Amino acid sequence: NAGVMQNPRHLVRRRGQEARLRCSPMKGHSHVYWYRQLPEEGLKFMVYLQKENIIDESGMPKERFSAEFPKEGPSILRIQQVVRGDSAAYFCASSPPPRNTIYFGEGSWLTVV
Amino acid sequence: GQQLNQSPQSMFIQEGEDVSMNCTSSSIFNTWLWYKQEPGEGPVLLIALYKAGELTSNGRLTAQFGITRKDSFLNISASIPSDVGIYFCAGPLNFGNEKLTFGTGTRLTIIP
Repeated sequence: NAGVMQNPRHLVRRRGQEARLRCSPMKGHSHVYWYRQLPEEGLKFMVYLQKENIIDESGMPKERFSAEFPKEGPSILRIQQVVRGDSAAYFCASSPPPRNTIYFGEGSWLTVV
Repeated sequence: GQQLNQSPQSMFIQEGEDVSMNCTSSSIFNTWLWYKQEPGEGPVLLIALYKAGELTSNGRLTAQFGITRKDSFLNISASIPSDVGIYFCAGPLNFGNEKLTFGTGTRLTIIP
């Protein structure tokens, strides 16, 4: 009974490098969401995707951040040229259609040094 | 944008005590969700509320959806050490739960 799987759980990157975070939704779920959590704060919505489609990316920073959910394989959140302010926990969540309550993965902790 | 305010921000209670926390919004929500997050983990859904006035229990947890649809509370009875964590309320920014906005969190600490 696999839940939402995220990897890596922890990632360290130097400033200017790229970070790639992967998310495999729960079986049968076709909707994927990415949230970011800064220390001591609540989660903030970033992007909502279905297979091969970005539905809502209103929470994504305009530059350096991108997300995809290909027909095959996991969803990827990509952060180019990382900066210290990108250090955070990134959570993926998924839900089945039609858009029921969403379930979160265990998160990927990005540290930029 | 819509904001969810939780109170208290933190609680220090003794094992066995009951806990009560709430969440308020300046906007109406059609769904209220309560999550618990432990250190180094993702949020885990505790209770989902879908109708104003609804009172729902999950073991020792009870949550209510306020009549005005602008608030919700969560109660934990007879607290135990594993209740430690941060409790977040959340609600959808639009119909269909695509985007959740999260509250500021209530950090619960149990004093042995």
